[in-house]
Amino acid sequence: GENVEQHPSTLSVQEGDSAVIKCTYSDSASNYFPWYKQELGKRPQLIIDIRSNVGEKKDQRIAVTLNKTAKHFSLHITETQPEDSAVYFCAASIVGYNTDKLIFGTGTRLQVFP
Amino acid sequence: GAVVSQHPSRVICKSGTSVKIECRSLDFQATTMFWYRQFPKQSLMLMATSNEGSKATYEQGVEKDKFLINHASLTLSTLTVTSAHPEDSSFYICSAHTPGGARGYTFGSGTRLTVV
Repeated sequence: GENVEQHPSTLSVQEGDSAVIKCTYSDSASNYFPWYKQELGKRPQLIIDIRSNVGEKKDQRIAVTLNKTAKHFSLHITETQPEDSAVYFCAASIVGYNTDKLIFGTGTRLQVFP
Repeated sequence: GAVVSQHPSRVICKSGTSVKIECRSLDFQATTMFWYRQFPKQSLMLMATSNEGSKATYEQGVEKDKFLINHASLTLSTLTVTSAHPEDSSFYICSAHTPGGARGYTFGSGTRLTVV
């Protein structure tokens, strides 16, 4: 089955700096890669996603890149703000088949210091 | 937008008792419901996948007789933790999905289970 690894586990940056979180997946059939932000005790919130037919997607300060050959995808947050502090999870899924199981990475705790 | 209502949000139960958690999709029909468990400072681990009207598929290592899943309709799925023990204390969260649909994955608000 699918296995998703995520690095780093913790990341501390100064306000205004950029943050990058990287994930690798094992199943080459995976075709949907969302990123979630989770605050303590809350549900995961989708912040951006990418499908396997594109290599990059951007939404204001957030961007995701996908390298299908290497089975890597990354989250880039620019101009970080203290309110970006949270736990971020990548995930991978094979959408369009019978299961569409969404498998999560191990998570990155991001701290943005003012 | 799509909403999944999950209840209860918090529950404390005694060892040996059972607890039922409900997830309802309020404005859409979800053919598939995923159930996850999240221990403190850890990731969301998929426990099982349930499709409306059929038996749930459990991930390796998850006891199907302990975690009973029912998906009787396109808008309601339940997870019952039977004979709960303190090690079952965790954050349980559901995610509704329609394979091939455009809605993606819609998460419930989660249930914090504490077994004493």
